[in-house]
Amino acid sequence: KNEVEQSPQNLTAQEGEFITINCSYSVGISALHWLQQHPGGGIVSLFMLSSGKKKHGRLIATINIQEKHSSLHITASHPRDSAVYICARGGELVFGQGTRLTINP
Amino acid sequence: DAGVTQSPTHLIKTRGQQVTLRCSPKSGHDTVSWYQQALGQGPQFIFQYYEEEERQRGNFPDRFSGHQFPNYSSELNVNALLLGDSALYLCASSFLSARDTQYFGPGTRLTVL
Repeated sequence: KNEVEQSPQNLTAQEGEFITINCSYSVGISALHWLQQHPGGGIVSLFMLSSGKKKHGRLIATINIQEKHSSLHITASHPRDSAVYICARGGELVFGQGTRLTINP
Repeated sequence: DAGVTQSPTHLIKTRGQQVTLRCSPKSGHDTVSWYQQALGQGPQFIFQYYEEEERQRGNFPDRFSGHQFPNYSSELNVNALLLGDSALYLCASSFLSARDTQYFGPGTRLTVL
């Protein structure tokens, strides 16, 4: 079992839909990262959070430390949001397998 | 302020050859970490350098080695390349005191034929 598990692995939705990607981890952490990777490879850090909730534009990340669970939400999704979204636990990062999101116009 | 840069962008090698990948950290960062991302998988931690020393290492063979220079830039060397070494190699930089905040470079895509 991976230390960091994401679900779903693949997600296809229509433009405008509300998107949720989940991440569960098995050991206590100091921080959890949400990353975005577009085709071509470059990784962009979206959020680093250790408690509560963070919001940036249409992206919202939440974390429940007691339940060892985090979610990434995208409101009013757009085709340009299509990418692989990866959660990783902090320190020497341990990554989930990623969620491939496709938003169709 | 330049972010993390990596070179080259793409590289093709044959089995048995050796390769060197380079990374320049974000200005002011003193710690560099390297990751390997095979196709369709999440990145895997290779090792981390601070003060020109390898501080931590993931589950990678000794064929993978690195170096950090006094200006904090870093190299990843892979000897005796195998087909399975084909991957995207990512570099990330941070402050040692804030390792949870890592900035990623665009990656180097290595293809081994």
